[in-house]
Amino acid sequence: GAGVSQSPRYKVAKRGQDVALRCDPISGHVSLFWYQQALGQGPEFLTYFQNEAQLDKSGLPSDRFFAERPEGSVSTLKIQRTQQEDSAVYLCASSLWGAKGSSEAFFGQGTRLTVV
Amino acid sequence: GDSVTQMEGPVTLSEEAFLTINCTYTATGYPSLFWYVQYPGEGLQLLLKATKADDKGSNKGFEATYRKETTSFHLEKGSVQVSDSAVYFCALSNPGTASKLTFGTGTRLQVTL
Repeated sequence: GAGVSQSPRYKVAKRGQDVALRCDPISGHVSLFWYQQALGQGPEFLTYFQNEAQLDKSGLPSDRFFAERPEGSVSTLKIQRTQQEDSAVYLCASSLWGAKGSSEAFFGQGTRLTVV
Repeated sequence: GDSVTQMEGPVTLSEEAFLTINCTYTATGYPSLFWYVQYPGEGLQLLLKATKADDKGSNKGFEATYRKETTSFHLEKGSVQVSDSAVYFCALSNPGTASKLTFGTGTRLQVTL
């Protein structure tokens, strides 16, 4: 694919509803990251995958947040029982190399989640 | 822990003015430093980077020099254009973290004619 693709672009959820956000990384990219960007703030790290392995989930704010990347490609971020404080833009990024290297991270356009 | 501090915006400049956006960092290791830009309606894009002390990253007329002694990575451009209007984010990544980024809060730049 041409770049990192995220869907949906916009999601409105009622408080208490579960949501699932999808990320299609650049083909062949080993690393995949999820970030949360609150209004007027910089992105904050949520979790990191190397292929299908979730190597770091230290940024997930609560056990309502869950991410998976079962085949080492597409990833889904799931938020259960959404709260108003979950309203933010959720960004996905991928990069070519794994943990022992460092390469440019390419970002998707994000999913804007609004919890009402 | 790692952190990035950048000057608050918005910054409003006239076209052809000189731009500086300050960025300082705190890191446990020897990080790589980045500037990302977010144009209206678009995703984050890498603008420039530097991986070691005294390196200068440059792109599209923007420059930033990795200053280890002052833990800074200030963004500069000699003559801004209206098309440079965007939000600019300073960020760092520690080695061995596969590009996990720690971002500043962003600085909005508005350039007027």
